[in-house]
Amino acid sequence: EIVMTQSPATLSVSPGERATLSCWASQSVTSNLAWYQQKPGQAPRLLIYGASTRATAVPVRFSGSGSGTEFTLTISSLQSEDFAVYYCQQYSNWPLTFGGGTKVEIK
Amino acid sequence: QLQLQASGPGLVKPSETLSLTCGVSGDSINSLYWSWIRQSPGKGLEWIGYIFFSGHTNYNPSFKSRVTISVDRAKNEFSLRLTSVTAEDTAVYYCARTGMRNWFDPWGQGTLVTVSS
Repeated sequence: EIVMTQSPATLSVSPGERATLSCWASQSVTSNLAWYQQKPGQAPRLLIYGASTRATAVPVRFSGSGSGTEFTLTISSLQSEDFAVYYCQQYSNWPLTFGGGTKVEIK
Repeated sequence: QLQLQASGPGLVKPSETLSLTCGVSGDSINSLYWSWIRQSPGKGLEWIGYIFFSGHTNYNPSFKSRVTISVDRAKNEFSLRLTSVTAEDTAVYYCARTGMRNWFDPWGQGTLVTVSS
């Protein structure tokens, strides 16, 4: 099983600032990586797939990068609606696995 | 617009069987794959398994001996059965459409299942 590790667990950022979230895979997943956003009481929402392709209707301030074992989700200028928990997920190998999440909170 | 709605008992006794159904609206279930995923404070997000409309399934080995996912094409829904539940199966259970490359979009709203006597 591929273990996904996210860092940091919590990120405190001021509105308008840039946020950089990291995700590592225990072995290469090439570009088979997705990012999700989850707000309290809601289901996760797909943001990024293929490591860098934004899903439908996802604002351009969200960008993904990386390949192999190291990935980054960047939110260029945080808006109030972006404060949430973010998860990465690999779909290179079975079983499909998720990271533990990064909570982005208001500083 | 595709929407998924998970439903089922919110309370299940230990050693019994958890049964949930996911209703699909806005599109036919006769496409792509359909997954069950759960989320608990202790284990985070866990993919349980998926089903193709033809009935082909793929399960997480962590659940393989206890899980069955089935599809009812006439009702445009799919279901989860998890046997011999324990307190560790207490979680919010989500259903989601699974793309050809195995990401999840969209997700249903989730249903909390508590395992307790």
